[in-house]
Formats: sequence, structure tokens, C-alpha cells
Amino acid sequence: NAGVTQTPKFQVLKTGQSMTLQCAQDMNHNSMYWYRQDPGMGLRLIYYSASEGTTDKGEVPNGYNVSRLNKREFSLRLESAAPSQTSVYFCASSEAWGNQPQHFGDGTRLSIL
Amino acid sequence: GENVEQHPSTLSVQEGDSAVIKCTYSDSASNYFPWYKQELGKGPQLIIDIRSNVGEKKDQRIAVTLNKTAKHFSLHITETQPEDSAVYFCAADSSGNTPLVFGKGTRLSVIA
Repeated sequence: NAGVTQTPKFQVLKTGQSMTLQCAQDMNHNSMYWYRQDPGMGLRLIYYSASEGTTDKGEVPNGYNVSRLNKREFSLRLESAAPSQTSVYFCASSEAWGNQPQHFGDGTRLSIL
Repeated sequence: GENVEQHPSTLSVQEGDSAVIKCTYSDSASNYFPWYKQELGKGPQLIIDIRSNVGEKKDQRIAVTLNKTAKHFSLHITETQPEDSAVYFCAADSSGNTPLVFGKGTRLSVIA
């Protein structure tokens, strides 16, 4: 039982390049989330998928797109990477939307030069 | 929307002492308050949570207390050990489009 798996673990991009971060969960959870973590800023929600077939914007969605491929997988895409998107990205899942425990992956460390 | 403030941002304690981290929230409708521990290079891991129908919850050396009137909740770690060293995040649920709003974290160092 792997929980939430994120790939890749590390990536370096040049400004303007595109990239898709992958996330998969094996807990049969309905809801999935993408966060970014910057020093001193805590965790900020980028996009979420409350259930399969739905996606919605979180607190900081600009410059990102998402796809809920199926119940297990939720990907995050940077169409034209910018240095301000250098961060650690975490995917999480929960059994249902709302006041439920969230389970996190170990993150993707992304640097944009 | 919900706003969560967490204090202190850093905390150093001697091994065996207790550590207390405090959070305040703004939305009186919030009723779910989880705490996460994040070790270096890892994702946050849920360590304990509390709902608004109880005032205190314990799990071995960890306890969380909730004061709904004052809108604050605290994490208490007793008999601290070096492996407790990590970043701790509090969170509160929200009625907006963000299911959980996180505090900015507390870096706890336990000195042997």
C-alpha cells in the first residue's frame, strides 16, 4: 500500500518550458489536491478535485492546469514555467471533500532557472 | 475566509521537556482541526486531529486542546525525543473553496 505517489521527485526546468507533475493514490479516495510549499508560507492550495470528473481552482491557480485522469490520478501542468514557480509541490488525497484528513505524497522539488 | 495563525515559528527544547505549539483561527464555523508533522524531505503526515465536539484528545505523548470560544487550539508534546524534531503544521477547515487552511509551520528542535 503506497499511499500517494508523486513523480518525479526532482526536476530542473528552464523558463518557458512545460512540465507535468504526476500523482497517483491507491486508497480509493474521492478527493485530490495540489499544494505548493514555499519557505515561511506554509501550504497553499493550487487546484483540487472534489470528486472524479471535477476540478476547481484553489488559492494560487495562476500558471497551472490540472487533469483528473481517473479516480486514482491527478496531474498538475505548468504550461510555461516561470522562476516564481520554483517550489516544492505536494499532492494529497482524502476520502471525501471537506473536513477530512488529507494524506500527502513526498513532494516534487521543482527549480526553474 | 478562514485565516490560521501559528506560533511560534521556531521552538527549541531540551530532550525530555514538553513542547507547546499554538494556533488561532478566524472562522467560527470551523469544526475540524488537524495537526501535521513534516520531516526533512518528506510530505506532511497527520499526527492527530480534533473536532469541535470535544475539547481535548490524546495519543500517547501527543495531545491537542481546543477552545472554541477563544478560537484557538494547541499541540502538546510531552517527554520530547530527538525524533520529534520536525516542522509541525496546524490547519482548520473552511467553508470556502479551500478545504483546509494551514498555518505557516513551527520548526521544533529537540536538543539531546
